[in-house]
Amino acid sequence: DIQMTQSPSSLSASVGDRVTITCRASQSVSSYLNWYQQKPERAPKLLIHSASSLQSGVPSRFSGSGSGTDFTLSISSLQPEDFATYYCQQSYSQPRTFGGGTKVEIK
Amino acid sequence: EVQLVESGGGLVQPGGSLRLSCVTSGFTFSNYNMNWVRQAPGKGLEWVSYISYSGSTIYYPDSVKGRFTISRDNAKNSLYLQMNSLRDEDTAVYYCARESPKIYYYAMDVWGQGSTVTVSS
Repeated sequence: DIQMTQSPSSLSASVGDRVTITCRASQSVSSYLNWYQQKPERAPKLLIHSASSLQSGVPSRFSGSGSGTDFTLSISSLQPEDFATYYCQQSYSQPRTFGGGTKVEIK
Repeated sequence: EVQLVESGGGLVQPGGSLRLSCVTSGFTFSNYNMNWVRQAPGKGLEWVSYISYSGSTIYYPDSVKGRFTISRDNAKNSLYLQMNSLRDEDTAVYYCARESPKIYYYAMDVWGQGSTVTVSS
């Protein structure tokens, strides 16, 4: 199974800050890497698929990059509604696996 | 509007069984692969089963293999998860999630609202 490791597990940031979250796969997943946002008591929401493609309706302050084993999710200017937990997930092979999550909190 | 609506969760004793349902609407269900993903209280996301659009290909992680059974009824636009021999560690919110086509790299692009399963004596 492919292991997905996210860092950091949590971070504190202020509105307007640039935030970067990293995700590392235990073996290459090519560009089969997706990012999800989850707010408390809500279902996850797809933000980015194929490492860098923004899902329809997602604000352009979100961006993704990387390929192979190393990926990043960036938020260019953090907004109040962005405080949430973010998960990466590989869809290269079965079983699909998720990273442990990164909780973005208000500083 | 594309929708996935789960039901069937509840409180069950260890060793018991439960069947979750996910009724879909707003898209051609029979064209899509589907998944179940769960989230234990305060924990991250864990994928628990996959079924191809036709039902011919199924996968499970070791944690539920032999205890959980995923199925679908394309005529009823519905996905199911039969859970047997439930354990305390199966306590979680269970989400059904649609898998996007290969052109979108198989991301889980639509999720239900979740159904809560509590295993406790």
